[in-house]
Amino acid sequence: RKEVEQDPGPFNVPEGATVAFNCTYSNSASQSFFWYRQDCRKEPKLLMSVYSSGNEDGRFTAQLNRASQYISLLIRDSKLSDSATYLCVVIPGTYKYIFGTGTRLKVLA
Amino acid sequence: DARVTQTPRHKVTEMGQEVTMRCQPILGHNTVFWYRQTMMQGLELLAYFRNRAPLDDSGMPKDRFSAEMPDATLATLKIQPSEPRDSAVYFCASASDQGILDEKLFFGSGTQLSVL
Repeated sequence: RKEVEQDPGPFNVPEGATVAFNCTYSNSASQSFFWYRQDCRKEPKLLMSVYSSGNEDGRFTAQLNRASQYISLLIRDSKLSDSATYLCVVIPGTYKYIFGTGTRLKVLA
Repeated sequence: DARVTQTPRHKVTEMGQEVTMRCQPILGHNTVFWYRQTMMQGLELLAYFRNRAPLDDSGMPKDRFSAEMPDATLATLKIQPSEPRDSAVYFCASASDQGILDEKLFFGSGTQLSVL
């Protein structure tokens, strides 16, 4: 079983829709979590950190569920520019940033 | 803007040849990572360094891959001999490790490697 797992998608949603992705992790000792965004043929860039209490940044909300060992990303009012691959990242306590394989999102006009 | 610099951006080589990829981390960053990205496997961690010391290279095929940090401004990833299955995008990333596990990773633009 992979340390970090994501549904590869693609998720095809119309503009204005709300879409959510989950990411599960296997190491219960994991301490830090992030969502990164990667555009086609570009490097990944940090979208947001995921805090235990959940956090929001504009249209984006990230949540952590330690009991079930998953993190989620919710995007409200999707824009065409949100089309990208979303990568979850887990740090299992050893300064080792482990990436999921990513979930592809395509927002359709 | 501070950035991670990787060279070359693209490399096409023949099977059996040596390939060296270079990375200049952001000045002051003391943690450096090498990742490989393919469609099938996603981003795989190959090796990482903290204060130039290798911490973990268990993700790297040892027989042909080697990673080093000769100084704080240069990290290298070498493949010798290269094989077609090594074709991928190789990313270097750096972070400023202040002892807390909440540091942002900054990625270079990657090296697109094609081994024929």
